[in-house]
Amino acid sequence: AQSVTQLGSHVSVSEGALVLLRCNYSSSVPPYLFWYVQYPNQGLQLLLKYTSAATLVKGINGFEAEFKKSETSFHLTKPSAHMSDAAEYFCAVTPGGGGFKTIFGAGTRLFVKA
Amino acid sequence: KAGVTQTPRYLIKTRGQQVTLSCSPISGHRSVSWYQQTPGQGLQFLFEYFSETQRNKGNFPGRFSGRQFSNSRSEMNVSTLELGDSALYLCASSPPGQPYEQYFGPGTRLTVT
Repeated sequence: AQSVTQLGSHVSVSEGALVLLRCNYSSSVPPYLFWYVQYPNQGLQLLLKYTSAATLVKGINGFEAEFKKSETSFHLTKPSAHMSDAAEYFCAVTPGGGGFKTIFGAGTRLFVKA
Repeated sequence: KAGVTQTPRYLIKTRGQQVTLSCSPISGHRSVSWYQQTPGQGLQFLFEYFSETQRNKGNFPGRFSGRQFSNSRSEMNVSTLELGDSALYLCASSPPGQPYEQYFGPGTRLTVT
């Protein structure tokens, strides 16, 4: 069975500081991994995806994530936080090899302090 | 290209009633998935449709149903509404050949009183 764990329901950083949002997954088959962002009263927007190509994935708005198979992790980072990054972030896993069913983590709300 | 659209955006219903939500995918996308989002349970997969066929289903009671039309537009229906059905219902569509990549609509906020 697949599962996703996001460490920390809330993360607070200062503007200009490093953003690190943690995601660990479990999957019985090589997974596809995703990060989504959700702003208030909006749907989810795809930030980036890992689909078994490069392990370091670059996404939109300066975010990137690294797939580490040995650690079953897919942490999201951004070198310098901006006020507009304040939102909720979701990590998601879909098992490869068919059988589509995406599992989302519980989400991490990012606060950015001026 | 226009994004995924969902109608209505907000809905208030009474317990016992039924509701139908609509989703229009991005042009050319044939796969449509539905999710329920609540503060307590987070994002939960309801079902996925492809070419008018339900391809996958989550763990929801039979009161939740859906369908997809030949133009890929999809509807979901909830019958005999319960207070616990209050949630944001999100629809997502996927591009051909990339079923795991999902583009979400803004959602329909359903409130059951």
